[in-house]
Amino acid sequence: GAGVSQSPSNKVTEKGKDVELRCDPISGHTALYWYRQSLGQGLEFLIYFQGNSAPDKSGLPSDRFSAERTGGSVSTLTIQRTQQEDSAVYLCASSSYFGGYTFGSGTRLTVV
Amino acid sequence: QQPVQSPQAVILREGEDAVINCSSSKALYSVHWYRQKHGEAPVFLMILLKGGEQKGHDKISASFNEKKQQSSLYLTASQLSYSGTYFCGTEEGKTGNTGKLIFGQGTTLQVKP
Repeated sequence: GAGVSQSPSNKVTEKGKDVELRCDPISGHTALYWYRQSLGQGLEFLIYFQGNSAPDKSGLPSDRFSAERTGGSVSTLTIQRTQQEDSAVYLCASSSYFGGYTFGSGTRLTVV
Repeated sequence: QQPVQSPQAVILREGEDAVINCSSSKALYSVHWYRQKHGEAPVFLMILLKGGEQKGHDKISASFNEKKQQSSLYLTASQLSYSGTYFCGTEEGKTGNTGKLIFGQGTTLQVKP
């Protein structure tokens, strides 16, 4: 597609439920990234996929968070047993090698 | 290691200039700059690679001093459309084979008429 597509755009969930966030990167971009942005804050790195290499999971805040990328394209970020502190905007980005990031519009997650 | 941006916020009148700085304690391979408007996703402005590169984008330019592990973003003759939060993203290391960025906390720029 023309841009990075994320779904859903908004998600309200009850504390303790699991959620899945989807990212569809720009076709041909080998790298895919997940970041988290809390209200008025900066961008917190979560996980990074590059081609067929093992993902860099060093930013995942706990073992409740996991992500996968299927077929080198679409990625899903899963948060299990959601907590209120998980509330944030989750941003996905993709890039070609040595290129700038193109960000999606994000998924606003609210845990109530 | 999160890079440090300064200033945290700046208010300008249209036509004035501004400089935003980004400093890291780690050796850097590249620095990216992004602008985010309220309620929108960050938008890529430019990338600077190791080698003291300087780039320009309309009236926005940047420099990268890898020895000092610093980058600066220069906004010349600011326009209302320049308002937003500016983030630097740093790629650590000497060989630049990750592409993974750590972002600064952001600098909020407000341009008034």
